[in-house]
Amino acid sequence: KAGVTQTPRYLIKTRGQQVTLSCSPISGHRSVSWYQQTPGQGLQFLFEYFSETQRNKGNFPGRFSGRQFSNSRSEMNVSTLELGDSALYLCASSYGYSGNTIYFGEGSWLTVV
Amino acid sequence: GESVGLHLPTLSVQEGDNSIINCAYSNSASDYFIWYKQESGKGPQFIIDIRSNMDKRQGQRVTVLLNKTVKHLSLQIAATQPGDSAVYFCAEGDTGNQFYFGTGTSLTVIP
Repeated sequence: KAGVTQTPRYLIKTRGQQVTLSCSPISGHRSVSWYQQTPGQGLQFLFEYFSETQRNKGNFPGRFSGRQFSNSRSEMNVSTLELGDSALYLCASSYGYSGNTIYFGEGSWLTVV
Repeated sequence: GESVGLHLPTLSVQEGDNSIINCAYSNSASDYFIWYKQESGKGPQFIIDIRSNMDKRQGQRVTVLLNKTVKHLSLQIAATQPGDSAVYFCAEGDTGNQFYFGTGTSLTVIP
């Protein structure tokens, strides 16, 4: 069974631009969550979607948004990029509604210059 | 917000020795805990999990211990190998599939 797939793996953007990252969950998984990882900060929760509905949202500004499609694939968008948005963005998927193991993809490395 | 803290940011062990990585959590309502391993340039990889109704769980060369009284979690790796060198994160979850992660412990295995 294929794992969580994230695209693109690497990208460089200019401050002020926007970016869209894509995630395909493990087949059969209906929950997709996004995390931001920066050096020394660990992983910080962005948001989680289940059956196309955002269930939980972390403490990030409104520039960070996401959505989930009917096939469970998900995208996240960051608008008006700032230098501090440079990070590894990780997508994770899980099977059920609550209390399930989340499995991560390899992440999308975003550099803002 | 929640906090999940690790006692030691770095840990070096000799190949063949046992490793113990510790984690403190703060939310008494957390009922599910996971350990992840992250190698350089890769996403976190699931190692082992434990629910709050258990104190101990064993996997292949790994054991997780949960002490709810002091809100402490530990990961024990038996016969540590060079391939175990990585950053290890503990994560706690209480609502939906949202997890809070510690800052990680970097494990270095000395051949």
